[in-house]
Formats: sequence, structure tokens, C-alpha cells
Amino acid sequence: SQKIEQNSEALNIQEGKTATLTCNYTNYSPAYLQWYRQDPGRGPVFLLLIRENEKEKRKERLKVTFDTTLKQSLFHITASQPADSATYLCAPWLTGSYQLTFGKGTKLSVIP
Amino acid sequence: DADVTQTPRNRITKTGKRIMLECSQTKGHDRMYWYRQDPGLGLRLIYYSFDVKDINKGEISDGYSVSRQAQAKFSLSLESAIPNQTALYFCATSDLQRGGQIFGPGTRLTVL
Repeated sequence: SQKIEQNSEALNIQEGKTATLTCNYTNYSPAYLQWYRQDPGRGPVFLLLIRENEKEKRKERLKVTFDTTLKQSLFHITASQPADSATYLCAPWLTGSYQLTFGKGTKLSVIP
Repeated sequence: DADVTQTPRNRITKTGKRIMLECSQTKGHDRMYWYRQDPGLGLRLIYYSFDVKDINKGEISDGYSVSRQAQAKFSLSLESAIPNQTALYFCATSDLQRGGQIFGPGTRLTVL
């Protein structure tokens, strides 16, 4: 069956370091993949979209990679700050589908 | 004004009651979505609509119905609420099939 896995439920990192979050998917090939940030009790906020023919996408301190061979996307936050603490969701869009499927998320805590 | 508004923000109801959650968007987008979020289960799609005349079931539509009253309005109904429908409900909109989705603030629903 189709499956999305985000590497861990929680990730703690020291302020100033690079945070790396992983999204793995099995049994399907997404046409593209999106990343969202969600703060407690609030709706997710769209961050980045990367297409299957793109290897890497950047936006300010954020970088996303997409490896269709490994079936994996990595989400990096460089020079992390306490304000980056949130849950991050990956959401692949399946080829031939009409909807996003969300992973369960990784809760990132940036420690001062 | 917020791009996506949801009413009510919080609702407590009893088993068997009919309840409607409302969503409005000011982005002029054609596509609208309803999700529910449960701890440990992530975001799951209930219904989605690509225009006023196009409504589709998502992953978990049983026990729910929707109405797309206008391009800007998409309502979710629980005909006979049950306790396992207690969750956080989000409405979202997007302008392109593959674009990032804009989420509302959520409705916290408790069914006793």
C-alpha cells in the first residue's frame, strides 16, 4: 500500500545549526511534493513545492531536495532559530490523483 | 481580512445532532478542500471541490456531506454527529491543481 513516512515524530536541534527533516514515500511516484509548517492549533502554512524533475529548491533559509530514485525528500533549515520551532508536514501529489496526501509531520524544536 | 475564514472556531455538540461548519475564501480560487486532523493520524481529506459543480469524496467521507454554495463558500455537514468525529477541521483553497494550499484557522469540534 502507499505510504508516507516522516523520519521522526520529534527533532531537537541547537539554535544556529542546520535542521534536516526527511520524508520517505513508498509504492507510488509523486509528480511533485509540498512542504508545510504548522504551529499548534493553527492551520498549515505552505512553504515550498518541488517537482519531480527538480533536484533542489531554495527559499531564504529553506532548502528542499527531491530524489525520485531514493523516493525521498529532505527539508533543510539553515541557521535555525527558536522561531522555526513547529511541526513540518510533507505532502506528495500523486501522478493521476487529484489530491495531496499529508505525512504525519515532524515536530521540530530549536533550543536556544 | 483573512484569506480563508471558518465558522464556528469552536463547537461542542451532542451525539446525534446535525452540525454545519462553514468556510469562505476571498482568493477567488476554484478549488476548495475539507480536512480533519487527529493526534497521531495527521491531516486527512474529507471532500474536495474543483468548482461549484464538481464535488468529490476524499479519503474519509463517510458520515459527512458538503455543499458548494458559491465559488467562495464550501460547507461541511455532519448529519448525525458521533464522538469519533471529535477533531480539528480545516478548510483550504488553492488556485491550481498543483499549487500550495491556503488553510483556514480551523474549527475545533467536540462531540459528546
